[in-house]
Amino acid sequence: DAGVIQSPRHEVTEMGQEVTLRCKPISGHNSLFWYRQTMMRGLELLIYFNNNVPIDDSGMPEDRFSAKMPNASFSTLKIQPSEPRDSAVYFCASSFGRKQPQHFGDGTRLSIL
Amino acid sequence: QKEVEQDPGPLSVPEGAIVSLNCTYSNSAFQYFMWYRQYSRKGPELLMYTYSSGNKEDGRFTAQVDKSSKYISLFIRDSQPSDSATYLCAMNSEEGNFNKFYFGSGTKLNVKP
Repeated sequence: DAGVIQSPRHEVTEMGQEVTLRCKPISGHNSLFWYRQTMMRGLELLIYFNNNVPIDDSGMPEDRFSAKMPNASFSTLKIQPSEPRDSAVYFCASSFGRKQPQHFGDGTRLSIL
Repeated sequence: QKEVEQDPGPLSVPEGAIVSLNCTYSNSAFQYFMWYRQYSRKGPELLMYTYSSGNKEDGRFTAQVDKSSKYISLFIRDSQPSDSATYLCAMNSEEGNFNKFYFGSGTKLNVKP
């Protein structure tokens, strides 16, 4: 049973570069979430989609961040231009139905130099 | 005030001990309560999911909800070194943004052999 799949697992890039993180949710799940985790702030919800439609993007920190979900099996989180303070672990999670628990991928560890 | 408060630890116990992990919350509308376990460099993994008040048991794990005190607990019996991880609580309500879960910052647990 495949879980949530994220790529890449690690990304190191220089400040100013564009970064694209990818996520494949669990098949059949209709909600998808992007989180950022840091030691200082814990797990923060950035944006979530329901049936491929963005529902709440109030957690997206700045216009440099954007997310898309072109179909039910794929989503991207893009940062352009990237800054050192964007360094964190980014998680994607998915769920099915209302109020159901979310299932997480293993994250992308992002370092911006 | 944060919606969900959780002591970050670390909590260090000897193997075989009973562990008690706790979260407090401020929103009396929360009805759905979850505990996640997160190993180093992995995504959070769902451990327990409960609705409203009461207890739920699964093997060595017991989740307890006290809505009158706005307090939830996770008990681990006969703790093992493999239980060493960070434990996050999460919760949600029937109102408003129905798929937005509020996470605690996590408690780091170390079970010593």
